[in-house]
Amino acid sequence: DAKTTQPTSMDCAEGRAANLPCNHSTISGNEYVYWYRQIHSQGPQYIIHGLKNNETNEMASLIITEDRKSSTLILPHATLRDTAVYYCIVRVGSGGGADGLTFGKGTHLIIQP
Amino acid sequence: KAGVTQTPRYLIKTRGQQVTLSCSPISGHRSVSWYQQTPGQGLQFLFEYFSETQRNKGNFPGRFSGRQFSNSRSEMNVSTLELGDSALYLCASSSLDRGRDGYTFGSGTRLTVV
Repeated sequence: DAKTTQPTSMDCAEGRAANLPCNHSTISGNEYVYWYRQIHSQGPQYIIHGLKNNETNEMASLIITEDRKSSTLILPHATLRDTAVYYCIVRVGSGGGADGLTFGKGTHLIIQP
Repeated sequence: KAGVTQTPRYLIKTRGQQVTLSCSPISGHRSVSWYQQTPGQGLQFLFEYFSETQRNKGNFPGRFSGRQFSNSRSEMNVSTLELGDSALYLCASSSLDRGRDGYTFGSGTRLTVV
């Protein structure tokens, strides 16, 4: 699975959009981009995933660049409860994906009141 | 619907003992994975099961083992416990093989080895 690079930490004001970047320059054509988050003392929570088209669900939007070398997770109206560590994971989606999910260090997003 | 249930939530064991942790996936989910989380190593993959078959195994010693039953419930076992096995053990389930639609994680079992 391709390696990802994320900033260590980010701040965002409550009510604003939080934009979390992820670089995955070695991504392969059959690898998806997955985002999870982990709120302190809880298990990780799946947020969204995509292959090459932008995706949106009730939690967030995922924007993937045309060359697929980077992506941005957008939380449109951040609340204090969105304070968490966010993990960007690149993984083969169909028929593969050895060794489970590879969680890096993620981005610690802190929402400021 | 009910989430992923892990039991027990907390456990204290002595070095050299063995421990069994249990995970009940979301109803209908056939894929179950286990992860270990420690402050030093972060989240690390242990193993993954789908329809009672082990699909993948992470880089852990043979003291760590698991199994999945016909009802998709899973157990993991750690024998000859070491102090370094103290960690949060997380179980995750998915409806599709290898979590293609995303995994749902449980709240974990916090194991302390003394």
